[in-house]
Amino acid sequence: DVKVTQSSRYLVKRTGEKVFLECVQDMDHENMFWYRQDPGLGLRLIYFSYDVKMKEKGDIPEGYSVSREKKERFSLILESASTNQTSMYLCASRPGQGAPGGYEQYFGPGTRLTVT
Amino acid sequence: KNQVEQSPQSLIILEGKNCTLQCNYTVSPFSNLRWYKQDTGRGPVSLTIMTFSENTKSNGRYTATLDADTKQSSLHITASQLSDSASYICVVRSNNAGNMLTFGGGTRLMVKP
Repeated sequence: DVKVTQSSRYLVKRTGEKVFLECVQDMDHENMFWYRQDPGLGLRLIYFSYDVKMKEKGDIPEGYSVSREKKERFSLILESASTNQTSMYLCASRPGQGAPGGYEQYFGPGTRLTVT
Repeated sequence: KNQVEQSPQSLIILEGKNCTLQCNYTVSPFSNLRWYKQDTGRGPVSLTIMTFSENTKSNGRYTATLDADTKQSSLHITASQLSDSASYICVVRSNNAGNMLTFGGGTRLMVKP
């Protein structure tokens, strides 16, 4: 079974703090994604990565950065957390093109971040 | 702009009853449509995937339909159980260079005893 794990289930941070959200997948997937999920807005893509050290902006990258130093790990960084970044953050991974399993994304359990 | 709209936003049904969730999309070019189930506090888990040529697909008590002409999909849940209480998310993949996903806002289903 594909396993995507996230470092924290719940996190409370203060405005202005630097926040790291870690995601690890164990299936050697090329692609990894960070989303945020807010009521009524669905999942919105923040950043994604096709390979180690590669990153691409999603739909809402402002206020975030990412790091992918190793294939299995994709980190989301909030340089200076703000209250409007209070949200559920979901990490996902999927195989590369042509790999078995097609394009299904496998999601982690999510991190609920509260910024006060 | 690619969009996926789901209805209703929320639904309460009694255990044992059937229900149908709707998904309308404007994603183009279309690649596939997937229904996810997301339990509270968990990440989404795939239920079914449908490509352009498929009209219906079942996964146990879940049956998804797709009408690619009208760009509509539905998820029918038969003989609901308490464990079906969750959010159901419709996700459409575009067949463009990035193969990106467009997510619906989800339908929150509550099954009561």
